[in-house]
Amino acid sequence: DAGVIQSPRHEVTEMGQEVTLRCKPISGHDYLFWYRQTMMRGLELLIYFNNNVPIDDSGMPEDRFSAKMPNASFSTLKIQPSEPRDSAVYFCASSLVRGGRDTQYFGPGTRLTVL
Amino acid sequence: GQQVMQIPQYQHVQEGEDFTTYCNSSTTLSNIQWYKQRPGGHPVFLIQLVKSGEVKKQKRLTFQFGEAKKNSSLHITATQTTDVGTYFCAGVTGGGNKLTFGTGTQLKVEL
Repeated sequence: DAGVIQSPRHEVTEMGQEVTLRCKPISGHDYLFWYRQTMMRGLELLIYFNNNVPIDDSGMPEDRFSAKMPNASFSTLKIQPSEPRDSAVYFCASSLVRGGRDTQYFGPGTRLTVL
Repeated sequence: GQQVMQIPQYQHVQEGEDFTTYCNSSTTLSNIQWYKQRPGGHPVFLIQLVKSGEVKKQKRLTFQFGEAKKNSSLHITATQTTDVGTYFCAGVTGGGNKLTFGTGTQLKVEL
């Protein structure tokens, strides 16, 4: 299996621009998670999906962030408008059937820099 | 909300020395997982503990889950340069599916 795939790997944008991060989970995994990692705040869960349905988005920082999962093999995390404080590494992870009770397989991450 | 703290934040050791990181949760955990993240990499699953007092070993790594299921530890015997990275614990509370990650311990191993 190819593992979790994320694109782009690096994104540099200017403040105010829209940013879209993409994730393809491992085939057959029912859960998909979006995390953000910064030096100050560590690894934070933003939102997770079960069978393409958003279950918990309490970690989404504000309305500028939105996530969708239109089908079992694709998810997006969108930031509009972006701000410098959004600079971080964004990870997507997937797991089989038990969410937090199963191994989570992380993608390589997208390093976002907002100037 | 749930908080998971790890100590120490950083640890420098000489190759061959032992290393331990401790994980403490503000609430009782249903299970705890450990991940390793190499510099510039992504977290990689190491192990999961579920039972109170559980101890598991993977070669030079020993993982423990506390009796009260609020703390855990990872011990590495005779560190090697390949052990370099940040070690995270992550726990789930109640019947949920959210993993709360600890603050991490960054390990550096010098020759």
